[in-house]
Amino acid sequence: NAGVMQNPRHLVRRRGQEARLRCSPMKGHSHVYWYRQLPEEGLKFMVYLQKENIIDESGMPKERFSAEFPKEGPSILRIQQVVRGDSAAYFCASSPGLFGDTQYFGPGTRLTVL
Amino acid sequence: AQTVTQSQPEMSVQEAETVTLSCTYDTSESNYYLFWYKQPPSRQMILVIRQEAYKQQNATENRFSVNFQKAAKSFSLKISDSQLGDTAMYFCAFMKGGSSNTGKLIFGQGTTLQVKP
Repeated sequence: NAGVMQNPRHLVRRRGQEARLRCSPMKGHSHVYWYRQLPEEGLKFMVYLQKENIIDESGMPKERFSAEFPKEGPSILRIQQVVRGDSAAYFCASSPGLFGDTQYFGPGTRLTVL
Repeated sequence: AQTVTQSQPEMSVQEAETVTLSCTYDTSESNYYLFWYKQPPSRQMILVIRQEAYKQQNATENRFSVNFQKAAKSFSLKISDSQLGDTAMYFCAFMKGGSSNTGKLIFGQGTTLQVKP
């Protein structure tokens, strides 16, 4: 029973480039969440998606960031025109339902912006 | 808005001893869930224990147990018989329940626990 998969595990981008982070939820899970962890800090919620729908994007920066979870394929977190402040670990989590369901986390993608 | 506070940035414990990590939270909700996650050096987030606020009984998972004090809004984690593999950062997290739940986990700042041989 494969867990939450994220790729790549490490991503290096230069300022102004685009970063695409992928997340495949656990089998049977239809809810996906993205969190960001800055160095020496806790995780901060970014966005919650179900298939083809963004349910809550209250933690997502208004510009340059977008997320999708298409009917087929993984969820994608996209960061356009990256800046050094985007350097962080980005975690994806999934759950089978909503109400109080435990979220299971992927190994994270560490983004470094040069 | 809900907040989660972990007042102990770092703690250490001798192998085989017991340690308690503190967590307090602030909410006006009556229905919610609380979690402890562990993040070892691999940085993988691993669920340690989960508590439903409507349950008075404290959750237990093997060597891990919680002391849930709803009135005081306190949710501490006790690790018994500490093992070297328990060395990690521990995060306390809050999730609203009921119809206002959007699945958002709110995390504390974390406590780094070192288990010494």
